[in-house]
Amino acid sequence: GQQLNQSPQSMFIQEGEDVSMNCTSSSIFNTWLWYKQDPGEGPVLLIALYKAGELTSNGRLTAQFGITRKDSFLNISASIPSDVGIYFCAGPPSSKTSYDKVIFGPGTSLSVIP
Amino acid sequence: ETGVTQTPRHLVMGMTNKKSLKCEQHLGHNAMYWYKQSAKKPLELMFVYNFKEQTENNSVPSRFSPECPNSSHLFLHLHTLQPEDSALYLCASRQSSYNSPLHFGNGTRLTVT
Repeated sequence: GQQLNQSPQSMFIQEGEDVSMNCTSSSIFNTWLWYKQDPGEGPVLLIALYKAGELTSNGRLTAQFGITRKDSFLNISASIPSDVGIYFCAGPPSSKTSYDKVIFGPGTSLSVIP
Repeated sequence: ETGVTQTPRHLVMGMTNKKSLKCEQHLGHNAMYWYKQSAKKPLELMFVYNFKEQTENNSVPSRFSPECPNSSHLFLHLHTLQPEDSALYLCASRQSSYNSPLHFGNGTRLTVT
């Protein structure tokens, strides 16, 4: 079945550093979603992308919808300890018109060293 | 407060027990979902309800039985579970329009002994 790949699988960074992670698929997506999951909580939506090439920011977070529509990137600038968590990409593949078929990547685990 | 409330937060049950997980959403959404999150695996969609009607059953074993009495409440009834069913069970809701994303609860951490 269709699946999303995320890299890196985990990251350990110093507070204040910038972070980059990506998500790739073998098939085309019309929407990319980035979620963050804090320990012991459910995923929370960070950014939603709806057009190829779209670049959207939410505070220190910036995400881009890849031109090929098969990838997306998330950057975090000047990381702080509360950025710790697991970051998931997700989306409904273009062959599916319904969000009922949203699939999730395996996640990138971020640790920030103060 | 996430707008989607799940109870209990933690549950330990034996393989012969029957228990239920509860989810309530206060967002006015009309679609509700159950996801399973196991260690080292992506979130797995289990069930979807749109306007109280089940529209998706992602090949889930019958020992998991969902119930959606209205658009705000969703239950997952559990019976005769296996240890490999231990996981975080997440409820989510959304407004059933194309671009509306999922909103998750904080999950129920289930341990089957």
